[in-house]
Amino acid sequence: DAGVIQSPRHEVTEMGQEVTLRCKPISGHNSLFWYRQTMMRGLELLIYFNNNVPIDDSGMPEDRFSAKMPNASFSTLKIQPSEPRDSAVYFCASSLRDRGSEQYFGPGTRLTVT
Amino acid sequence: AQSVTQPDIHITVSEGASLELRCNYSYGATPYLFWYVQSPGQGLQLLLKYFSGDTLVQGIKGFEAEFKRSQSSFNLRKPSVHWSDAAEYFCAVGISNFGNEKLTFGTGTRLTIIP
Repeated sequence: DAGVIQSPRHEVTEMGQEVTLRCKPISGHNSLFWYRQTMMRGLELLIYFNNNVPIDDSGMPEDRFSAKMPNASFSTLKIQPSEPRDSAVYFCASSLRDRGSEQYFGPGTRLTVT
Repeated sequence: AQSVTQPDIHITVSEGASLELRCNYSYGATPYLFWYVQSPGQGLQLLLKYFSGDTLVQGIKGFEAEFKRSQSSFNLRKPSVHWSDAAEYFCAVGISNFGNEKLTFGTGTRLTIIP
């Protein structure tokens, strides 16, 4: 299995621009998670989906952030407009929906907003 | 709500020495516990997990962890570290309600290996 795939691996953009991060979960997994990692705040859960349905988006920092999962093999995290404080590494993870199932992480997208 | 504490931000160990990374959790019921490792520029990789049963669990790369309910701890150990073990280690706790797969992560412990 190819594991969780994220693109792009690196993104540099200017403040105010729209940014779209993409994730392909492991085939057969039905839970998908978006995390943000920074030095100051560590690893934060932004949102997670079960069977393509958003279950908990309480970690989404503000309305500039949105996430979709149109099908079982694809998800996007969009930031519009982007700000310098959004600079971070964004991880996508997937798992089989079950009690205590481990999550498998992608390599991350390093976002820099100038 | 559950929480995880990793009291050591940074640990330095000599190659070949033993290692113990501390993790304490807070949760009212039996938790699901995980250790992940993150190498620079990489995502998190699962080292091991505890669900139930034997409180000493074995993981990949020669790591093991012991669940101690009385101490609310899940410390990670390795008898002899290798230079390739230098990385950041995260402890995580999951709750036991079906349908809620959220994990709460600790702040991580950075491990440095010296020759």
